[in-house]
Amino acid sequence: KAGVTQTPRYLIKTRGQQVTLSCSPISGHRSVSWYQQTPGQGLQFLFEYFSETQRNKGNFPGRFSGRQFSNSRSEMNVSTLELGDSALYLCASSMDRAYEQYFGPGTRLTVT
Amino acid sequence: EDQVTQSPEALRLQEGESSSLNCSYTVSGLRGLFWYRQDPGKGPEFLFTLYSAGEEKEKERLKATLTKKESFLHITAPKPEDSATYLCAVWTNFGNEKLTFGTGTRLTIIP
Repeated sequence: KAGVTQTPRYLIKTRGQQVTLSCSPISGHRSVSWYQQTPGQGLQFLFEYFSETQRNKGNFPGRFSGRQFSNSRSEMNVSTLELGDSALYLCASSMDRAYEQYFGPGTRLTVT
Repeated sequence: EDQVTQSPEALRLQEGESSSLNCSYTVSGLRGLFWYRQDPGKGPEFLFTLYSAGEEKEKERLKATLTKKESFLHITAPKPEDSATYLCAVWTNFGNEKLTFGTGTRLTIIP
């Protein structure tokens, strides 16, 4: 069974630009969550999508947004990039709430 | 607000030297506690789910236990390949349901 895939794996962007990250969940998983991981803050929850609807949201500014498609694939967008947005962005999929989440390898975003 | 604290932050053990990692939590309505292992530059790898106090799960040299306030990850006779950061996360049913992660324990096993 294929795992969670994320593209691209690495990105370098300039302050003020925007970026879109993609996540393909495990087949049959309908819940997709996004996390930001930094050395100082650890893993922080961004948002969760289930059946194309945002079900939960963390404490991040509106520059961070996402969506989910009918095939459960998800995208995350960050607009007006700031230096502090440099991080590993992780996507995780699960059957539903309270089930174990399976993570992808992440997208390493560097903002210069 | 849900809080998850892991200790120690870092742990160095000799190969074969058993020990335990701690995850203590303060949450409203625990629905589940998860343990993950993360290698550098990779996404977390799922290890265990615990749902109720008294529950135990085992996998190879790892055993996870749960009480009403904390969870332990016991590592028996570790090998160098067990070196990784171990993360715990809690899933609660109060307000905005989400996984809240601890900051992890960085485990190093010395051959």
